[in-house]
Amino acid sequence: KQEVTQIPAALSVPEGENLVLNCSFTDSAIYNLQWFRQDPGKGLTSLLLIQSSQREQTSGRLNASLDKSSGRSTLYIAASQPGDSATYLCAVRPLQGGSEKLVFGKGTKLTVNP
Amino acid sequence: GAVVSQHPSRVICKSGTSVKIECRSLDFQATTMFWYRQFPKQSLMLMATSNEGSKATYEQGVEKDKFLINHASLTLSTLTVTSAHPEDSSFYICSVRGGLDTQYFGPGTRLTVL
Repeated sequence: KQEVTQIPAALSVPEGENLVLNCSFTDSAIYNLQWFRQDPGKGLTSLLLIQSSQREQTSGRLNASLDKSSGRSTLYIAASQPGDSATYLCAVRPLQGGSEKLVFGKGTKLTVNP
Repeated sequence: GAVVSQHPSRVICKSGTSVKIECRSLDFQATTMFWYRQFPKQSLMLMATSNEGSKATYEQGVEKDKFLINHASLTLSTLTVTSAHPEDSSFYICSVRGGLDTQYFGPGTRLTVL
């Protein structure tokens, strides 16, 4: 059974700092991995999607890496801003059975202090 | 990406009543929608996959007779929580399958059962 773990559970940093969020998954048989952002009481916004054959994806100040063999992904946020404050979720899509099911971690709650 | 809405955003009901949650794809024809549930400080968990014009596929451990899903059109899927109990209190989020392996998420519905 695929399990996704995110460390740390919460992180508080001063504005301008670069930071890394970690995600690990137990089964390397994945179709892809996504990072989402969730604001309080809101739905999810997809940030980056990495296919299993890819090593990283970049969008603006965000860079996500994927090491499928070791079951790890990181989300790097450069020059953090107060508007980056949110919960960041990592999710993998397992390969088995053609399912589109996403398996989520519990998230990392990020607070960027002005 | 697709715009997905949910209604209501919040609902409080008495134990034993039924609650219907709507998920609408506003600008995208959604043949497949997904329903997730998120308990406080827990991961989003897929409940069921909703296919337009056919029966939903439920994840293991999710009671299909308790969580009724109807996907009668390409723009609307509904989730009805029947005979709701306090343990059903949760955040329910739907998503729409888009292109390029993406899912577009709605803003969620907070259900509180007294």
